Amino acid sequence: EIVLTQSPGTLSLSPGERATLSCRASQSVSSSYLAWYQHKPGQAPRVLIYGASTRATGIPDRFSGSGSGTDFTLTISRLEPEDFAVYYCQQYGSTPFTFGPGTKVDIK
Amino acid sequence: QLQLQESGPGLVKPSETLSLTCTVSGGSISSTHYYWGWIRQPPGKGLEWIASIYYSGSTYSKPSLKSRVSTSVDASKNQFSLNLTSVTATDTAVYYCATHRSGYYDDFDYWGQGTLVTVSS
Repeated sequence: EIVLTQSPGTLSLSPGERATLSCRASQSVSSSYLAWYQHKPGQAPRVLIYGASTRATGIPDRFSGSGSGTDFTLTISRLEPEDFAVYYCQQYGSTPFTFGPGTKVDIK
Repeated sequence: QLQLQESGPGLVKPSETLSLTCTVSGGSISSTHYYWGWIRQPPGKGLEWIASIYYSGSTYSKPSLKSRVSTSVDASKNQFSLNLTSVTATDTAVYYCATHRSGYYDDFDYWGQGTLVTVSS
């Protein structure tokens, strides 16, 4: 099973700032099959990025994903008020599919 | 726009079976997407993939849950279901249904709102 580790656990930032979230895998993620989800309380998770770097439909271009192998990054170039949430990475290149523990982005 | 909605009991007794159904609207369970999944989130914890089912009924489960998981598809109702047997308090979670974007090895692009299931006597 591929274990995903996310850092930091919490990121305290102000609107307009840049957020950099890290996701590290215990072994190489096949074909960069890595996704990033945004999750707000009481809502369904929303996919932001799949294939490590492809933005999902309707996702603003302030969200970008990069990385390959075992190291992946989600960058939010300028935080908007609606971006404060928990972000999860997920690998779907091998089963069992696994999620990271999440990074909470909260308002400083 | 595809929409998914979970339904089922909010309270299940220990050792009993948790049964949930996901109703799909805005598309056909057998033609617009082919793989359908279940994911859960225990209180205060992260997301955990439980199982995925192909529209024809083949099931793929997390190994640690496999012995307790069964799934099914009812194409006539555009629904798929999850059964989890012999539940304990550790199965208390918000359960989400979702669909894989395209194939089995794909992200989950549509999700239900989730339903809280509490295991307690």
